[in-house]
Amino acid sequence: EDQVTQSPEALRLQEGESSSLNCSYTVSGLRGLFWYRQDPGKGPEFLFTLYSAGEEKEKERLKATLTKKESFLHITAPKPEDSATYLCAGRGTYKYIFGTGTRLKVLA
Amino acid sequence: SQTIHQWPATLVQPVGSPLSLECTVEGTSNPNLYWYRQAAGRGLQLLFYSVGIGQISSEVPQNLSASRPQDRQFILSSKKLLLSDSGFYLCAWDTWRGGSTEAFFGQGTRLTVV
Repeated sequence: EDQVTQSPEALRLQEGESSSLNCSYTVSGLRGLFWYRQDPGKGPEFLFTLYSAGEEKEKERLKATLTKKESFLHITAPKPEDSATYLCAGRGTYKYIFGTGTRLKVLA
Repeated sequence: SQTIHQWPATLVQPVGSPLSLECTVEGTSNPNLYWYRQAAGRGLQLLFYSVGIGQISSEVPQNLSASRPQDRQFILSSKKLLLSDSGFYLCAWDTWRGGSTEAFFGQGTRLTVV
């Protein structure tokens, strides 16, 4: 069965304290591993798509990496405005399988 | 640029009433379209997806239905709402761009069935 698991469920960081979020996946015929940011009460905001083990993509303080079983979202020197829920999803032929997200809180 | 419109933003409906949520996409043609439901503390649950006009695939047996009357219009409906239909409903579309698939969401509809 296709499954995506994210850890930790919640994470509190001090401003400037770098960390990583984990996304473990089992998706048959994977056609992309997606990362999103979601603010409360809003729709998810697209961040990255990764396809191949070893692939990396960066955007501002965020860097996403991919292995054959996991993806990591690295947050370097986070700021309070990075506080949000981060979702990952594995895409099959058309279906996206989402994890339950990591709630990130960055304290000033 | 491509945008997605979803409305209404919030909705309170009595049990047994009908439902119609609409989503439209601008700036692209023949998008794949999706309806998701997000319950508190849970991941997004795919409800329906469509790869073209009139083509609907249902992922979860339930009290809801979807239709795609036009290329860039996707509608989520119910004839009689249940309390369990409450949740945050999200429309999404994806496209192949710059050698990669990108998938975008609307701002969601918060549905409360009372």
